Amino acid sequence: EAGVTQSPTHLIKTRGQQATLRCSPISGHTSVYWYQQALGLGLQFLLWYDEGEERNRGNFPPRFSGRQFPNYSSELNVNALELEDSALYLCASTRDPYQPQHFGDGTRLSIL
Amino acid sequence: GNSVTQMEGPVTLSEEAFLTINCTYTATGYPSLFWYVQYPGEGLQLLLKATKADDKGSNKGFEATYRKETTSFHLEKGSVQVSDSAVYFCALSPEGGATNKLIFGTGTLLAVQP
Repeated sequence: EAGVTQSPTHLIKTRGQQATLRCSPISGHTSVYWYQQALGLGLQFLLWYDEGEERNRGNFPPRFSGRQFPNYSSELNVNALELEDSALYLCASTRDPYQPQHFGDGTRLSIL
Repeated sequence: GNSVTQMEGPVTLSEEAFLTINCTYTATGYPSLFWYVQYPGEGLQLLLKATKADDKGSNKGFEATYRKETTSFHLEKGSVQVSDSAVYFCALSPEGGATNKLIFGTGTLLAVQP
């Protein structure tokens, strides 16, 4: 069984630009979660998508947004990038909210 | 509110030493508890879990017991190996079993020396 896959592995942007990160869940998983792992700040919950709908959102500004496609893959979009957005962005998926989350290897976003 | 507190790292041990990484939590209701491990350059992997009080999660020689009376979920291993070097995260799911929002501790770096 293929795991959660994320692309790109690394992304370098400058302040003010927009970034798009992609995630493909494990086959059969319908829920996708996004987390931000910033240096020194641990893992912070960003967004949860299930069956194409945004179900829950963490304490992040509206310039962090995303969507889930009919095949359950997901995009995370970050607009008006700021230096503090530099972090590892992790995607996770589950078959249902009562099962443990399985994580991808992440996208390293660097803002110059 | 819900929170997880882990012991600060790094924890440096010699091979075959005994490991304890402390984790305590604050939560309403009946959370589920997890330990995740992150090897260098990789994402998080679920190491073990416990869904109710007195449950013991175990995997790859690691164990943790859900202690409601002390609100703790300490990770232990009897004999660590160099390959166990990684960052370990304690996490809770604040709803009864539903993991739609995991709350993580800050992580504890474990370095095992040969």
